[in-house]
Amino acid sequence: DGGITQSPKYLFRKEGQNVTLSCEQNLNHDAMYWYRQDPGQGLRLIYYSQIVNDFQKGDIAEGYSVSREKKESFPLTVTSAQKNPTAFYLCASKDPGMNSPLHFGNGTRLTVT
Amino acid sequence: AQSVTQLGSHVSVSEGALVLLRCNYSSSVPPYLFWYVQYPNQGLQLLLKYTSAATLVKGINGFEAEFKKSETSFHLTKPSAHMSDAAEYFCAVSAAPSGGYNKLIFGAGTRLAVHP
Repeated sequence: DGGITQSPKYLFRKEGQNVTLSCEQNLNHDAMYWYRQDPGQGLRLIYYSQIVNDFQKGDIAEGYSVSREKKESFPLTVTSAQKNPTAFYLCASKDPGMNSPLHFGNGTRLTVT
Repeated sequence: AQSVTQLGSHVSVSEGALVLLRCNYSSSVPPYLFWYVQYPNQGLQLLLKYTSAATLVKGINGFEAEFKKSETSFHLTKPSAHMSDAAEYFCAVSAAPSGGYNKLIFGAGTRLAVHP
């Protein structure tokens, strides 16, 4: 079955450490996205990539970095510069076109203490 | 600019009762609209989407939504709630490409509780 795999499911880090969240898809989608979800705030876009070796900042990119070296993979690094990194992170991908829905992974819950 | 407003952050219904989750959108162009469901600690799953083919859209799990242009609404309904429907629901609108980028704008979500 095609889908999006995010790992790990739960991640714990000490403040000041960088951490990388994995996202892999086998849907053959060109576009991939990272969202952050906090209680009561819906989804906020961190970064997106429309094609390999290209990515753009979303609405809340500060303190995060990404790479897109392969079509299937879009890892997100939460750096020590991110002031409030504890959150639920969702990776998604989609086909081109405004009527194409996003397909989501099952998320990674990051806790930084 | 496109936007989405979901009225009611929490909705509680009895099992077997009608479910009505409200979504109003703002869009300067004909919109593409989506409803997603999220169960605890999981990703979002597509329930249904409106793409102008029909104003009444049927989705999975017995849900449906009606597009009303005059009211700029896309409310989600289900005739009879089941305990398994308890989850968070998100309405989203597909924004016109900006800088070559087509993004979905999400509402803040409505948490549905179903009690016996």
